[in-house]
Amino acid sequence: AQKITQTQPGMFVQEKEAVTLDCTYDTSDQSYGLFWYKQPSSGEMIFLIYQGSYDEQNATEGRYSLNFQKARKSANLVISASQLGDSAMYFCASRSLGDSNYQLIWGAGTKLIIKP
Amino acid sequence: DGGITQSPKYLFRKEGQNVTLSCEQNLNHDAMYWYRQDPGQGLRLIYYSQIVNDFQKGDIAEGYSVSREKKESFPLTVTSAQKNPTAFYLCASNGGSNQPQHFGDGTRLSIL
Repeated sequence: AQKITQTQPGMFVQEKEAVTLDCTYDTSDQSYGLFWYKQPSSGEMIFLIYQGSYDEQNATEGRYSLNFQKARKSANLVISASQLGDSAMYFCASRSLGDSNYQLIWGAGTKLIIKP
Repeated sequence: DGGITQSPKYLFRKEGQNVTLSCEQNLNHDAMYWYRQDPGQGLRLIYYSQIVNDFQKGDIAEGYSVSREKKESFPLTVTSAQKNPTAFYLCASNGGSNQPQHFGDGTRLSIL
């Protein structure tokens, strides 16, 4: 069974600094996908970035990038030049690409607070 | 714009009452999901459905029921058997294995 571990329950970061949110995964699958979501205090889940296990390059989306280290089974989210609006819960999730139900396995989340 | 609509945004349940949370999507996705989120916690899967008239239990299905009579709709009923229903409920849909799940804005359920 897959498992996602997010070891940082909470983080404080100064505005404009870069942030790294940790995520390690445990899977025996060869083909899998990794996802990051942002959940502001209002509650909606916002998809940020996706990395497939066979993608050779790290995924990037604007200020978000995914530091994918397959041998270490880690998929850390990097936010460059943090903004006050980045304050939120962040969830890492994984999926076996062979799962026809498209189920996601979720981490417990990291609460990020950006200080002005 | 395509998306997922959940209603109501806030819901209050009386003792012994069943309540139904609505979830509608116009993304033409086959797969739909219901999650429960308690304060400060992650998401737990209640039920999911891959096709009309078929659905499977997730990790915490006890005290909940669903139906999938139309592709677009996946309502969740919180029954009186669910003794601790106060939580934030999120509905999601998915269009493919390498695609993200899309979420509605959620429903906050409280006990009166």
